[in-house]
Amino acid sequence: DAKTTQPPSMDCAEGRAANLPCNHSTISGNEYVYWYRQIHSQGPQYIIHGLKNNETNEMASLIITEDRKSSTLILPHATLRDTAVYYCIVRAPRTAGNMLTFGGGTRLMVKP
Amino acid sequence: NAGVTQTPKFQVLKTGQSMTLQCAQDMNHEYMSWYRQDPGMGLRLIHYSVGAGITDQGEVPNGYNVSRSTTEDFPLRLLSAAPSQTSVYFCASRLSLGGGPEAFFGQGTRLTVV
Repeated sequence: DAKTTQPPSMDCAEGRAANLPCNHSTISGNEYVYWYRQIHSQGPQYIIHGLKNNETNEMASLIITEDRKSSTLILPHATLRDTAVYYCIVRAPRTAGNMLTFGGGTRLMVKP
Repeated sequence: NAGVTQTPKFQVLKTGQSMTLQCAQDMNHEYMSWYRQDPGMGLRLIHYSVGAGITDQGEVPNGYNVSRSTTEDFPLRLLSAAPSQTSVYFCASRLSLGGGPEAFFGQGTRLTVV
């Protein structure tokens, strides 16, 4: 799996957009970018994934650069409940073992 | 639709005791897995299963056994608990190996071995 690099922490004002970056410069052509988050003491929660096109769902948007070496998760209107650790993962589909390797992630603090 | 259900939520064991962490999913997912998460660290894969009757080891399988007799259930057994197994354990499921990239996680079992 490609290694990812995320800032350890970020702050965001409530109601503003939170932009969480992720570098994955060694990504392979068949590897997807996945984002999960983990709110304190809870199980990880899937947010969004993409291959090369930008993606949007009810939770967030995912912007992937044209060279696919980095991506940004955007929470358009952050709320206090979005305070969590956000994990960027890069991996190929149809891989059995080590389905998800979570690194350090970014601790997002949404402030009133 | 309950998703992935783990029991118990909390457990304290004495060194040497054995126990089973339960995991059940009602989404007819073929793929299930167990992770442990230690303080300040990410998830590490213990065991996984690609379908009923099929299991395999992950990164940190020592001290743990699994079985998959049904699609719904994937219990994790600690054979002889050690303090190093103090951790939070998460069960996860996915539609299949080849489909549905997102994983659904249970709420975790916080295990303390004294």
